[in-house]
Amino acid sequence: DQQVKQNSPSLSVQEGRISILNCDYTNSMFDYFLWYKKYPAEGPTFLISISSIKDKNEDGRFTVFLNKSAKHLSLHIVPSQPGDSAVYFCAAEDSGTYKYIFGTGTRLKVLA
Amino acid sequence: AAGVIQSPRHLIKEKRETATLKCYPIPRHDTVYWYQQGPGQDPQFLISFYEKMQSDKGSIPDRFSAQQFSDYHSELNMSSLELGDSALYFCASTPRGLAGGTRASTDTQYFGPGTRLTVL
Repeated sequence: DQQVKQNSPSLSVQEGRISILNCDYTNSMFDYFLWYKKYPAEGPTFLISISSIKDKNEDGRFTVFLNKSAKHLSLHIVPSQPGDSAVYFCAAEDSGTYKYIFGTGTRLKVLA
Repeated sequence: AAGVIQSPRHLIKEKRETATLKCYPIPRHDTVYWYQQGPGQDPQFLISFYEKMQSDKGSIPDRFSAQQFSDYHSELNMSSLELGDSALYFCASTPRGLAGGTRASTDTQYFGPGTRLTVL
């Protein structure tokens, strides 16, 4: 039973345009969410996070939006750069144990 | 800045053999998490340790065991290896355990590069 879902396995975007990666979750008890980027042969790298008390968090080119009522979050990357090409994982934190529950990932390809 | 170190980076074993994976957390991080990522899958939580005590257990087979040592490094011991154990094994560390407190960016889990285990 996948509690965190990323329904788009892949996404292609032109350089300079906006990339929007989506994530849905089922457990309304989740209150902290993160996005990680992963290159081949490397571990996941933390990108940005958001607490459920906020609906938006911005860090440079990366913005995460949280819609609690819809149990949906999205990561916006603007402008997209070829170096952003990677697999992006959405994760929710178990509030009791702090372990992460990951989505299945979205492979982003930014075309030059 | 120092990162999480995992060794070995690659490991090839045969069925029914044993393997030991090591994780060295970022200095002053006292909490370690282990995740397993199968081919084309998302990372799945296995087990975590805080201050050398097991703090949570996920989908870790009974054939696997782990511990955290006094220097906070952790080892994942895997016995009677099966073909299905072939995966990437990630270790992550944070500076704060289950003591709670205000959420801070420093509580984010920082991942190591992973160990790729192949069971033949």
